[in-house]
Amino acid sequence: AQSVTQLDSHVSVSEGTPVLLRCNYSSSYSPSLFWYVQHPNKGLQLLLKYTSAATLVKGINGFEAEFKKSETSFHLTKPSAHMSDAAEYFCVVKGHNYGQNFVFGPGTRLSVLP
Amino acid sequence: NAGVTQTPKFQVLKTGQSMTLQCAQDMNHEYMSWYRQDPGMGLRLIHYSVGAGITDQGEVPNGYNVSRSTTEDFPLRLLSAAPSQTSVYFCASSYQALDRGTYEQYFGPGTRLTVT
Repeated sequence: AQSVTQLDSHVSVSEGTPVLLRCNYSSSYSPSLFWYVQHPNKGLQLLLKYTSAATLVKGINGFEAEFKKSETSFHLTKPSAHMSDAAEYFCVVKGHNYGQNFVFGPGTRLSVLP
Repeated sequence: NAGVTQTPKFQVLKTGQSMTLQCAQDMNHEYMSWYRQDPGMGLRLIHYSVGAGITDQGEVPNGYNVSRSTTEDFPLRLLSAAPSQTSVYFCASSYQALDRGTYEQYFGPGTRLTVT
């Protein structure tokens, strides 16, 4: 069975400071991993995905995530937060077996203070 | 290419009423799914389909039915609405076959449902 833990339900940073959103996963097989962002009252947008190629994945809007198998982690980072980054962020895991579903973490709400 | 479309955007139902949430995609994706989103719980899978004629239950299927008669459409039916079904509902689709690469999901804009 697969599962995702997002260690912080809420993270607050000042504009211009680094962002770290933590994600740990559990999967029986080598998984695919994703980060999605949801702005208030909007749908979900893909930020980045891990495809078992490079372990450091670059996404849109300056976000990155590093896959660490030994730590079963896929933390999301950004060097400098912008006000427009304030949103809910979801870490998602999917196994490679046919028919395996996407499993969402509970989400981390990011606040960016001026 | 419209992606994933959902109708309606908003709906208010009375307890006991039934309705169908519509979902369609034009990307020829095999995999389609329905989620509900509730505060603090992320997205929870209701039902999913890996192709036309094939559906299965997810984590929270009670009170919902689905069918998949075509690749494009995947409607979600609420049989007898209850206040506990007040939520935001998202439909999503993706490729399924591994030879199409790593298959992220594409989401519709959501339907906000209130049951009174």
